[in-house]
Amino acid sequence: NAGVMQNPRHLVRRRGQEARLRCSPMKGHSHVYWYRQLPEEGLKFMVYLQKENIIDESGMPKERFSAEFPKEGPSILRIQQVVRGDSAAYFCASSPGVRGTEAFFGQGTRLTVV
Amino acid sequence: QKEVEQDPGPLSVPEGAIVSLNCTYSNSAFQYFMWYRQYSRKGPELLMYTYSSGNKEDGRFTAQVDKSSKYISLFIRDSQPSDSATYLCAMRGTAGGTSYGKLTFGQGTILTVHP
Repeated sequence: NAGVMQNPRHLVRRRGQEARLRCSPMKGHSHVYWYRQLPEEGLKFMVYLQKENIIDESGMPKERFSAEFPKEGPSILRIQQVVRGDSAAYFCASSPGVRGTEAFFGQGTRLTVV
Repeated sequence: QKEVEQDPGPLSVPEGAIVSLNCTYSNSAFQYFMWYRQYSRKGPELLMYTYSSGNKEDGRFTAQVDKSSKYISLFIRDSQPSDSATYLCAMRGTAGGTSYGKLTFGQGTILTVHP
C-alpha cells in the first residue's frame, strides 16, 4: 500500500509565478490536510478537505492560496503570484475518516521562490 | 502566546541515555495528543498518540499526558543514534464540527544521539 504521495518533491518558482502542489492520499483515505512548515518552525495547519468539499480552511492565507480535492484525481494546493515568503515545505496528510490522529503524512514539497 | 510550546533544543545525548521531551499547551479543549518523528528532509511519522490523561508505552517509547497541568511528555529509553531526528508534539480537540482535521503542532525538538 503506497503511502501519501506528493509531487513534485522540489519546486522552484520565480516571484509572480504560480505553484501547483499535488497530493494523492493513501488508498481508502478520503480526508486530506495540508500543512506548511517554515524554516525553524513547526507545522501549521492550512486546510482540511474531503472529496469535493472544503471542511476547514481557517489556516489558509486569505489571498493567493486555494485548495481543491476533486472527485477524481489528487488534491491540489495552488499558490498564485508567489512571493519569497511562500518558500517553505508543504506537507499533505490523509486519513480514513474523522479521526485526525490517524493521519499519515507525505514526504512534502519544498517550494523555493527566487 | 502560542497554543503549544515546545523547547526547540537542540538536545544532544549519548547512546543509551533516557531522553525526555516535553510540551505545554494552553487550550483546554485538546483531547488527543500525539508525537511525531521527522527525519531531515522527510515527512512527519506518527510515533504515538494518547487520548486524554494517562500513560502509553510502545517499546522504548512512553508517552505521558497530564491534562491538569496541560503538560505532555515523551520518554525514549536506551536511545540509539537512529533516534536522531526532530520530535514534534501535536494535539487536537474531540471529533465533531470542523476541529477534528486540525492538528496544532509544537515547534519541534531537535535530538541528536551520539555513539
